[in-house]
Amino acid sequence: NAGVTQTPKFQVLKTGQSMTLQCAQDMNHEYMSWYRQDPGMGLRLIHYSVGAGITDQGEVPNGYNVSRSTTEDFPLRLLSAAPSQTSVYFCASSYSPVAGGKETQYFGPGTRLLVL
Amino acid sequence: GIQVEQSPPDLILQEGANSTLRCNFSDSVNNLQWFHQNPWGQLINLFYIPSGTKQNGRLSATTVATERYSLLYISSSQTTDSGVYFCAVKGAATGRRALTFGSGTRLQVQP
Repeated sequence: NAGVTQTPKFQVLKTGQSMTLQCAQDMNHEYMSWYRQDPGMGLRLIHYSVGAGITDQGEVPNGYNVSRSTTEDFPLRLLSAAPSQTSVYFCASSYSPVAGGKETQYFGPGTRLLVL
Repeated sequence: GIQVEQSPPDLILQEGANSTLRCNFSDSVNNLQWFHQNPWGQLINLFYIPSGTKQNGRLSATTVATERYSLLYISSSQTTDSGVYFCAVKGAATGRRALTFGSGTRLQVQP
């Protein structure tokens, strides 16, 4: 298993540009989440999904869109990048408790984003 | 939403020393996990421990759910233990089905 993969590893954008951060998992996990981590801080939840076709907002959803058309993929879209979105973005996945699986959360390696 | 507080925020140890990291949370939880973020930024799950005690080598964790805290013990610390340790919880009463993270404890183990 590759686990949770993220692309790209690093990206530089200009203010106003849009882009999609890719996330995929091959563990058949129902739950997937996106977090951002700013220097010296913990992880803040952006959006999450409890299954294909179902998404919900986290603590800091403004400026980001998500969709979940398949179990494996959970892309994060920045609609119009702003310097405040400079951060490291982590994608994570886990089984759902309804499915009876242990909810251990696995993280991807992260995408470092710089918005100029 | 649920609040998660970790202490201490920073910790410096000599190699071989023991330490205890604490995580307090403001409401009942049905999921609590400890993570280690290494100096390269990778997040590794250490324990899934909504209640009880678990051990894995030199690391162990205890969660007392009724008193709303969890402890992570590191014994005989090594330089490879350096990094940031995060506690994350999922509130039992909230509708949000994703983890809320504390701000972490930054550990530096000196040789």
